[in-house]
Amino acid sequence: EVQLVESGGGLVKPGGSLRLSCAASGFTFSNAWMSWVRQAPGKGLEWVGRIKSKTDGGTTDYAAPVKGRFTISRDDSKNTLYLQMNSLKTEDTAVYYCTTDLPDSSGYYPSYWGQGTLVTVSS
Amino acid sequence: QSVLTQPPSASGTPGQRVTISCSGSSSNIGSNTVNWYQQLPGTAPKLLIYSNNQRPSGVPDRFSGSKSGTSASLAISGLQSEDEADYYCAAWDDSLNGHVVFGGGTKLTVL
Repeated sequence: EVQLVESGGGLVKPGGSLRLSCAASGFTFSNAWMSWVRQAPGKGLEWVGRIKSKTDGGTTDYAAPVKGRFTISRDDSKNTLYLQMNSLKTEDTAVYYCTTDLPDSSGYYPSYWGQGTLVTVSS
Repeated sequence: QSVLTQPPSASGTPGQRVTISCSGSSSNIGSNTVNWYQQLPGTAPKLLIYSNNQRPSGVPDRFSGSKSGTSASLAISGLQSEDEADYYCAAWDDSLNGHVVFGGGTKLTVL
């Protein structure tokens, strides 16, 4: 059974930093493309970014609102995904979900989701 | 403002059939497949439909998806009270270098 467990959320001041973790199990993590998706309170889903498997290059892609501030990384030896968030803004307040992405004919899509971790950016 | 456009709300009575639309453009729905997600109140989203019309194991066949041109639809037949949830469409967007774009979500109310 695929399990994704996020941690590391909390309250942080504007301009601060936070690192989220996502512990994965139930599948071969090293072969997986992984993404982060966030949801602001009472709002819809917003894709944050992804990291490809090392065999597919291990590269990252980011949505425009977070590019240059957020960094996605992975430790395949620990089956763990990370999201380093710097220069946080109040508009980054959201529940952050870790997802494992599965391929279809067009690309890779968030398929399995964790339970999410809440990040609140406020002074 | 979401890249994909969904109606903010939909409703139906038990047993009815409801459809939720998702409109995009040639760079996303027009050239890529569509996924649908169900988010029950207070829970994480769950994959409901992938590759336009495929159901993951465990998803009832009351749920079906379709795509035509730059639009997609989710249909729910035999509506049940437990179907009350938020529904989101998503697609890969070629103009954004393969970023995933979501619709704004549709809140389905079972009357």
